[in-house]
Amino acid sequence: DGGITQSPKYLFRKEGQNVTLSCEQNLNHDAMYWYRQDPGQGLRLIYYSQIVNDFQKGDIAEGYSVSREKKESFPLTVTSAQKNPTAFYLCASSDIQGRSNQPQHFGDGTRLSIL
Amino acid sequence: DAKTTQPPSMDCAEGRAANLPCNHSTISGNEYVYWYRQIHSQGPQYIIHGLKNNETNEMASLIITEDRKSSTLILPHATLRDTAVYYCIVRVLSGSARQLTFGSGTQLTVLP
Repeated sequence: DGGITQSPKYLFRKEGQNVTLSCEQNLNHDAMYWYRQDPGQGLRLIYYSQIVNDFQKGDIAEGYSVSREKKESFPLTVTSAQKNPTAFYLCASSDIQGRSNQPQHFGDGTRLSIL
Repeated sequence: DAKTTQPPSMDCAEGRAANLPCNHSTISGNEYVYWYRQIHSQGPQYIIHGLKNNETNEMASLIITEDRKSSTLILPHATLRDTAVYYCIVRVLSGSARQLTFGSGTQLTVLP
């Protein structure tokens, strides 16, 4: 089945450690996104990418980094500079070329906690 | 993107239709109405979207008023698995990647 796969489902980070969250899609979508969701709140955009080897900062990019070396993959690294990383992280993708009103589809998320 | 207003919570009896309202009085002509839902601890799930005509798919129906200032998502036969937070989002048509802005949504609880 086509979809978005995020791994791991749960992740624990020690102080001063960088961790990487995986996001893979087989929908052949051009655009991919990373959002952060805190308890009881809406989604906030961290980074997004419209094409391979290109990405843009969202509203809360500080303390995070991404790469887009392949169309199907958009990993997110939470660096030690992110002082409050505990949250639910969601990856999404969408088709944007020629059908720009198409919806974003989401993975099932990674829940990151600090040890 | 235009702001949306939704009731914070609603209940619905299992097997009955769930009608979830959304107000978007400042919507502009090129903005679509999208509905997503989020079941606890899962990613948001796309349900349906529309511009000005009513839309129906296998999950739900979307009724948009003629002036486009409000809409209603209809789940025709709600089940316990439809318990979730439902988000109404208004978003402009765009040729580039743009974020989705989720408000606080409506917590729908389907009761047995």
